[in-house]
Amino acid sequence: AQSVTQPDIHITVSEGASLELRCNYSYGATPYLFWYVQSPGQGLQLLLKYFSGDTLVQGIKGFEAEFKRSQSSFNLRKPSVHWSDAAEYFCAVGAPNYGGSQGNLIFGKGTKLSVKP
Amino acid sequence: DTGVSQNPRHKITKRGQNVTFRCDPISEHNRLYWYRQTLGQGPEFLTYFQNEAQLEKSRLLSDRFSAERPKGSFSTLEIQRTEQGDSAMYLCASRYQGNTEAFFGQGTRLTVV
Repeated sequence: AQSVTQPDIHITVSEGASLELRCNYSYGATPYLFWYVQSPGQGLQLLLKYFSGDTLVQGIKGFEAEFKRSQSSFNLRKPSVHWSDAAEYFCAVGAPNYGGSQGNLIFGKGTKLSVKP
Repeated sequence: DTGVSQNPRHKITKRGQNVTFRCDPISEHNRLYWYRQTLGQGPEFLTYFQNEAQLEKSRLLSDRFSAERPKGSFSTLEIQRTEQGDSAMYLCASRYQGNTEAFFGQGTRLTVV
């Protein structure tokens, strides 16, 4: 069965520092991979997605992620964190046949990001 | 495009009562999903619809849960005889056939006391 692992429950970085959030997935075929962000009490907003092509994908708010098939990873990065980036970040993989418009998303447990001034 | 709308945003109910939540997806989206998110966890899939047809239900959707999407537009999720373990955020998402991006509502937070 597909699964997503986010090893870090909580990360604290200083404002202006770089950020990397880890995500590992378990999936047999080429996965559909996503990063979502959730602010307190809010729904989820898509940051970026990958399913083919260039393994380095750019998203909104200055985020990027790199797909590494050999490591089954899809880590999220940002070169310089802003205080407004404090939120919870979820990595997700599409269930089988997601590309055929069927199927749901399978989420990791999330990484909470705190930003120190 | 007003986004995915969920009502109510918050619901407090006594154990044993029935509750119903509503989700209005983005108008042209034919796929609609319900997820449940408990504290410290990522969203977990409950069920999804293609138009008015409920195509898949997860094992999390016990007999006390029922979902409908009668005209292929809005959807309702009902929980009967609520239990404290039902306390969670219930998220709705929608997407358009052929598009991989799912758009989420702000959720309904249920507290069972």
